[in-house]
Order: sequence, then structure tokens, then C-alpha cells
Amino acid sequence: EAAVTQSPRNKVTVTGGNVTLSCRQTNSHNYMYWYRQDTGHGLRLIHYSYGAGNLQIGDVPDGYKATRTTQEDFFLLLELASPSQTSLYFCASSSDRGDTEVFFGKGTRLTVV
Amino acid sequence: QQKVQQSPESLIVPEGGMASLNCTSSDRNVDYFWWYRQHSGKSPKMLMSIFSNGEKEEGRFTVHLNKASLHTSLHIRDSQPSDSALYLCAAFGSNYNVLYFGSGTKLTVEP
Repeated sequence: EAAVTQSPRNKVTVTGGNVTLSCRQTNSHNYMYWYRQDTGHGLRLIHYSYGAGNLQIGDVPDGYKATRTTQEDFFLLLELASPSQTSLYFCASSSDRGDTEVFFGKGTRLTVV
Repeated sequence: QQKVQQSPESLIVPEGGMASLNCTSSDRNVDYFWWYRQHSGKSPKMLMSIFSNGEKEEGRFTVHLNKASLHTSLHIRDSQPSDSALYLCAAFGSNYNVLYFGSGTKLTVEP
């Protein structure tokens, strides 16, 4: 099965702090995604990429930056974390666009206090 | 406006019963629907997909699609406690680059 690895799995930071969430996929997939999941909102797309150096804006990008350094690695950056960014973050990958199966990592629980 | 709407928000069925979950898109560009299942504390995993009008069955799970009304439904017969999970519907259209997910239906199967 396709492998997507996220780190860290849990993170607590203070308001105004900097946080980097990491994601690596070993599936040779072109597309990688960052979602946040909050009760009542399902999965909301923050940023996505279809290759190294590429970045596309999702539906809820405010307060987030992302960078795809290689085919395998996709990072999500919160430069001035706020309590509203407390959430469960999922990284995912797929071989092509949304007409192919998306594989998810195990998630990162981020708490901003 | 959300592209994908799911109902009900939560559903409780007895063990052995039938669970029916609904999903609709308001976007005429939608071509495909996917159903993902997420057990508590786990990540979402693809359950079934449907691209053509009609019905698709896999074991106890059946998916229907009506492309004219952009409505899909997931039916689980002989529901088991292990089916208790959040069920997420997702849609993809020809002018999209990504999947759009609904808010999910939380299914609880009571023994």
C-alpha cells in the first residue's frame, strides 16, 4: 500500500510561534496535499503541489505556507501560529489529479496555546 | 459554498441493520464521486468510487449514482460495530485539480 509519513505526530506550540510539519511519500506520486480536519468541516484543503517546486493554493490557505522540495517531500509552515490553527493536519498523495485514489498519512495533531 | 454536501450528519443503526448515507454536489462539473471511511483516531481510507450512473456493489457495501441530480448514496447492509466510523464523500470534476470533501456522516452501529 502507498506510504505517506508525517512528522511530528503531535505538536504543541505557543501563539506566535513557528511550526513546520513534514511529509514524505515513497509512492512516486505527482500530487501531494495538506488538509486540515476540524469537527463539522470535514477535510479542508490548505495547499497542494503537482511536483517539486510547484505550489498551488487550496481553499483555506491564510496563515499557511508550503514548499515541495523534492518529489517525495512536502512541508507545511505556520510562521505566526494562532489558536485558530489548532487542528488535525493530514498530508496525502495521489498519482494524478482527483480522479485517482488519494492516500493519507496518519496525521499531525497541532495545538496552539 | 461547499461543493459537496452530506446527510445526515450522524446516524445510529442497530447491528445487522441497513445504513444509508447521502451525498450531493451543487457543481455541474462533477464527474466522479469517492467514498472514504475514517475510523476514530485513524486516517481516511478509500472505500469505494463510482463514475457511471447506476449501482456498484462490493460485499456489504453498495453505492448508487445519479449523475443528472449529482447525488450519490452509500448503503451498508448487515451493519457491524466495526463499520462505526466517519464516512466522507468526495467529488472530482473535469475542471478541478483536486478532490473536494464533504463534512462527513458519523455512523454508529450499536451492538
